[in-house]
Amino acid sequence: DTEVTQTPKHLVMGMTNKKSLKCEQHMGHRAMYWYKQKAKKPPELMFVYSYEKLSINESVPSRFSPECPNSSLLNLHLHALQPEDSALYLCASSQGLPFGWRETNEQFFGPGTRLTVL
Amino acid sequence: RKEVEQDPGPFNVPEGATVAFNCTYSNSASQSFFWYRQDCRKEPKLLMSVYSSGNEDGRFTAQLNRASQYISLLIRDSKLSDSATYLCVVNIPDTGGFKTIFGAGTRLFVKA
Repeated sequence: DTEVTQTPKHLVMGMTNKKSLKCEQHMGHRAMYWYKQKAKKPPELMFVYSYEKLSINESVPSRFSPECPNSSLLNLHLHALQPEDSALYLCASSQGLPFGWRETNEQFFGPGTRLTVL
Repeated sequence: RKEVEQDPGPFNVPEGATVAFNCTYSNSASQSFFWYRQDCRKEPKLLMSVYSSGNEDGRFTAQLNRASQYISLLIRDSKLSDSATYLCVVNIPDTGGFKTIFGAGTRLFVKA
């Protein structure tokens, strides 16, 4: 199984809603990532989890709250979002960790959740 | 200067053409380099990893030039299905390890 899955595929929410994005991988990968991608722009790194611990937080606003319940699952909890947060949210995983230069760090992406904030 | 810069697009080429993209990076301590392709409204998919002096996979060849701090992607015998955005990805040193930076991408259109 070489797949990263994400749910839901599409999400529309109001600025006062609380919602969660989910990501799952069964490749035994040790690192998982959240990216945000706006239209016609490259993905921007938000968070990295290594061995289920948050290792990188790219100064993301607190209205985005990541959670890694176990080595296969990664959630992104959303609360009080703004319309400018509308984007494609991509999850990725890698066998290698973002620490060792000898690590193979190829990242495999899920299909993404297309989020619209009204 | 941006950490990772790519050729501005779009590239419009006929089927069968050879096309090359360049990508430059600013941090000389960068170690890992990748090319991803992304189709419209889809996720990025790993095309090639470039760990040493370069590598080849069928019609695709990636080269790394550490002295000049750039990587390139060569596509031979272009197919219509090669039409996509090609993203250069570099792992740059960061506190305690490294972080992944994507270039802005280069759009390729292959026409019949």
